Amino acid sequence: QSVLTQPPSTSGTPGQRVTISCSGSSSSIGSNTVNWYQQLPGTAPKLLIYSNNQRPSGVPDRFSGSKSDTSASLAISGLQSEDEADYYCAAWDDSLNGVVFGGGTKLTVL
Amino acid sequence: QVQLQESGPGLVRPSGTLSLTCTVSGGSISSNNYLNWVRQPPGKGLEWIGQISHGGRPNYNPSLQSRFTISVDKSKNQFSLRLNSVTAADTAVYYCARGKGGWAADAFDLWGQGTIVTVSS
Repeated sequence: QSVLTQPPSTSGTPGQRVTISCSGSSSSIGSNTVNWYQQLPGTAPKLLIYSNNQRPSGVPDRFSGSKSDTSASLAISGLQSEDEADYYCAAWDDSLNGVVFGGGTKLTVL
Repeated sequence: QVQLQESGPGLVRPSGTLSLTCTVSGGSISSNNYLNWVRQPPGKGLEWIGQISHGGRPNYNPSLQSRFTISVDKSKNQFSLRLNSVTAADTAVYYCARGKGGWAADAFDLWGQGTIVTVSS
């Protein structure tokens, strides 16, 4: 069981906007910033969002992140077929003194 | 362009020791970056194993048994993971990943391609 909670799956049609939630605790998301990773099938994870809402160079602005209290969300607008992947949230946990991941959300583009 | 590349045995016998190396190419390990190990069992999610600071101090996931050892060899531009007494539950893809900045909690902005480790007799 993961320390951060994500829905196992979600789906959307091309052009649609989807959101993925990530729920934590006061010692994780409540006290630290949230990062999001995208893992395309058969590949290594890739940093998508860092520090709650910052995009690394090269990440389209269709991807955005937000955080409120002990929860965070990843939003993908203008959904494209190439967005079909697993998405993971992560944060530092002060109680565990380490990085914790969510269980991952599989996004299917219908 | 800095790249990370994991290397290891691929197959390890139960109760044996797993040793993996992450080699940094195209640049050197910065004195600021934390270096991390993450694993992913087949069909499952990501699990943080631990990290080593630029000062060489390791920090491990307390949820895992204390079977892991992380070390760094700056002269070789490598950092390593050692796991003792492996079981089938240790079968996974193992990734090395670089922390973005000089803070333990930083995001992982650079990942290796991963190396598959199977524990089987």
